[in-house]
Amino acid sequence: TQLLEQSPQFLSIQEGENLTVYCNSSSVFSSLQWYRQEPGEGPVLLVTVVTGGEVKKLKRLTFQFGDARKDSSLHITAAQPGDTGLYLCADRKGGSNYQLIWGAGTKLIIKP
Amino acid sequence: NAGVTQTPKFQVLKTGQSMTLQCAQDMNHNSMYWYRQDPGMGLRLIYYSASEGTTDKGEVPNGYNVSRLNKREFSLRLESAAPSQTSVYFCASSTGGSEAVFGQGTRLTVV
Repeated sequence: TQLLEQSPQFLSIQEGENLTVYCNSSSVFSSLQWYRQEPGEGPVLLVTVVTGGEVKKLKRLTFQFGDARKDSSLHITAAQPGDTGLYLCADRKGGSNYQLIWGAGTKLIIKP
Repeated sequence: NAGVTQTPKFQVLKTGQSMTLQCAQDMNHNSMYWYRQDPGMGLRLIYYSASEGTTDKGEVPNGYNVSRLNKREFSLRLESAAPSQTSVYFCASSTGGSEAVFGQGTRLTVV
């Protein structure tokens, strides 16, 4: 059974600092997705990465997919209070179109 | 632009009571899902409906039933609530393998 491990579990930093959070899988990813969930809301998709070594940028967020497709990172540059939330990674279970396996998330707090 | 609408937003039940969580989407998506989210455990799939007229079990289906009423609506029923079902429940929809759009969640407490 595939497991997704996210680290750190919790991160609290000052506005303007940089940070990186990680998602590691016990087996090769099929299609890794990163979501952000704000308090009281459902998760919102940020990006999907498929190819080993792939790098995607979304404004101040940089997503990287490991060459072996078993790890991924999310780097935030100059964090802002609006980046506060729970960051979740998820992968398609056995390549299924319908079932996702989720990590437990990294809770990120950006202090003004 | 409503997206995915869940009702109710909050609910407190006594052990043994039943209730139905409602979900409706207005994006013409074929697939709909019910998840539960517990602290430190991420989201776990309860049931999903790949298309109108079909439903399938997910990772944690015990204690729940679902109905895909039509293309827009997918309900989740707890027949006899237990404290272990205290959780935040999310409905989501998608078009097959595309990104899932989530509702705002239902916070359920069973006492």
